[in-house]
Amino acid sequence: EAGVAQSPRYKIIEKRQSVAFWCNPISGHATLYWYQQILGQGPKLLIQFQNNGVVDDSQLPKDRFSAERLKGVDSTLKIQPAKLEDSAVYLCASSYPLGASGGATGELFFGEGSRLTVL
Amino acid sequence: RKEVEQDPGPFNVPEGATVAFNCTYSNSASQSFFWYRQDCRKEPKLLMSVYSSGNEDGRFTAQLNRASQYISLLIRDSKLSDSATYLCVAAYYNQGGKLIFGQGTELSVKP
Repeated sequence: EAGVAQSPRYKIIEKRQSVAFWCNPISGHATLYWYQQILGQGPKLLIQFQNNGVVDDSQLPKDRFSAERLKGVDSTLKIQPAKLEDSAVYLCASSYPLGASGGATGELFFGEGSRLTVL
Repeated sequence: RKEVEQDPGPFNVPEGATVAFNCTYSNSASQSFFWYRQDCRKEPKLLMSVYSSGNEDGRFTAQLNRASQYISLLIRDSKLSDSATYLCVAAYYNQGGKLIFGQGTELSVKP
């Protein structure tokens, strides 16, 4: 079974530039998450989708970050304009809806991440 | 206050040692708990779930104390391959579920 695919793996940009990350979740996974992981810290949830609807974006800096999952499958996360503090690994994860009958193991399947460096 | 807090690391232990990680969570609405493992420059992967009755998987034992809002992970007979960062996770199951990660505790097992 194919895992969660992310691209690009690495991106270096200057501050105030824009960047977009792409994620393709595991087939059949309705829930998709974007996490930001700064070096030395745990993953921080930015946004969570259930199919193509947003269920939580409370920690997404909406003045500069946006995300969409138009057809309930692939997702993109965009940063515009980027700041130095956005340097991090952006992790996409997918799962069946947690707590749903027949699923709900708490297992998120992560992609390898997109490492962003803002200079 | 962070929603999930872990022991600061790093933990440096010799092979064969027993090591324990602690974690506390602030939101009593948390419904389930997990430990994830993250190798250097890799993505997190589920290590094990944590049940109120305590659960064991080989050399790993997880415990949950809901009254104290405390979770632990015990690793016995540490191996070099156990070197990684261990992430404590609290889950909420409304609206499709949400996982909140702690900051992680780094473990380094030395020969």
